[in-house]
Amino acid sequence: DTGVSQNPRHKITKRGQNVTFRCDPISEHNRLYWYRQTLGQGPEFLTYFQNEAQLEKSRLLSDRFSAERPKGSFSTLEIQRTEQGDSAMYLCASSLELGRGDTQYFGPGTRLTVL
Amino acid sequence: GNSVTQMEGPVTLSEEAFLTINCTYTATGYPSLFWYVQYPGEGLQLLLKATKADDKGSNKGFEATYRKETTSFHLEKGSVQVSDSAVYFCALIPRDNYGQNFVFGPGTRLSVLP
Repeated sequence: DTGVSQNPRHKITKRGQNVTFRCDPISEHNRLYWYRQTLGQGPEFLTYFQNEAQLEKSRLLSDRFSAERPKGSFSTLEIQRTEQGDSAMYLCASSLELGRGDTQYFGPGTRLTVL
Repeated sequence: GNSVTQMEGPVTLSEEAFLTINCTYTATGYPSLFWYVQYPGEGLQLLLKATKADDKGSNKGFEATYRKETTSFHLEKGSVQVSDSAVYFCALIPRDNYGQNFVFGPGTRLSVLP
């Protein structure tokens, strides 16, 4: 079990550029979540997938954000036309749907800095 | 709406001191409750959880009891160690949330001094 991995770990970009992050969940996990965490705050839910289906999106996920999980394995989160307010840590988590309250395993995060 | 409130940090304790980090929540119905911990440079890790009223979650000497009457899930440890220095997040999953996405509190930073 290698855990949840995220790449890159750090990304610095200029305002207006597009960025893409990747998350590789624990292999047998069918659920995958994206969260955003700003300094001094707890993570905020963005979206989640069950297998390849994106089942829920937060109102935080503006139309500049898009997430995919094409084969039900890894996922990508793309931010278009980045803004300084997008600077945050982007966290990915995965879980195996067993019932209510099943454990989510978090990756180390991708820290985005928009200049 | 659903929300989680935690005591503000940072909390600074000496080694072997007693720890309490308060957590209260607002949610419809009976949510599942969790404590996650984030050590420096690492991802969030589940510390303990409780899925129904009066349940006690425990792990690594930490405990928290699901109190429905006070809508609380306070984290306690009898004797902290330097290695417990981290940020602690209280979180809930609302009962009616099929996707089970978390609502997190803002986190409480704990520093334990030798």
